[in-house]
Amino acid sequence: EAQVTQNPRYLITVTGKKLTVTCSQNMNHEYMSWYRQDPGLGLRQIYYSMNVEVTDKGDVPEGYKVSRKEKRNFPLILESPSPNQTSLYFCASSSGTGELFFGEGSRLTVL
Amino acid sequence: GQNIDQPTEMTATEGAIVQINCTYQTSGFNGLFWYQQHAGEAPTFLSYNVLDGLEEKGRFSSFLSRSKGYSYLLLKELQMKDSASYLCAVRDKSTGYALNFGKGTSLLVTP
Repeated sequence: EAQVTQNPRYLITVTGKKLTVTCSQNMNHEYMSWYRQDPGLGLRQIYYSMNVEVTDKGDVPEGYKVSRKEKRNFPLILESPSPNQTSLYFCASSSGTGELFFGEGSRLTVL
Repeated sequence: GQNIDQPTEMTATEGAIVQINCTYQTSGFNGLFWYQQHAGEAPTFLSYNVLDGLEEKGRFSSFLSRSKGYSYLLLKELQMKDSASYLCAVRDKSTGYALNFGKGTSLLVTP
């Protein structure tokens, strides 16, 4: 089954404790992206990647890092999480010109 | 950058027709997408327009006018399960084919 898988789905952590949200897709998509979704602000892009070893900043990259060492994986790293990073995070992938396929989302709370 | 506007909320009656409008401004338009998102779930793809005109897909249709920077999503024969948020998204060549989303329109279908 074609899918985008994110982990963890739910996480409560404390300020400053490094965490990684993993994302994996099995559709051989070149394009992958991370979004955060907050009430009243909609989906905002954090980082995206056009292909392996190619990443670029989206609209809200501050406080986040990503890597794309393999085509299927695109982890989101929060080196020192802060409460303003409490949000619902979505990973997505596409073939480039096609539709975006979303993961189920990761709800992160930073205390 | 882009500016994507859509109404925040709409209410319609079961069995009726509703039109959700979206206006956008972008420098490198490369397609407009509509997604549906139920509360707490991932967005799911509804439709895609890259040329002017109407695309029909069952109870859902989407229209695009590139010269006016305007699209709408038309939902016919509304059902209670259509209560969801509807997201307009524009792909922009100038930002690496990133998909930028409007803030979404929350549709409530009433009996």
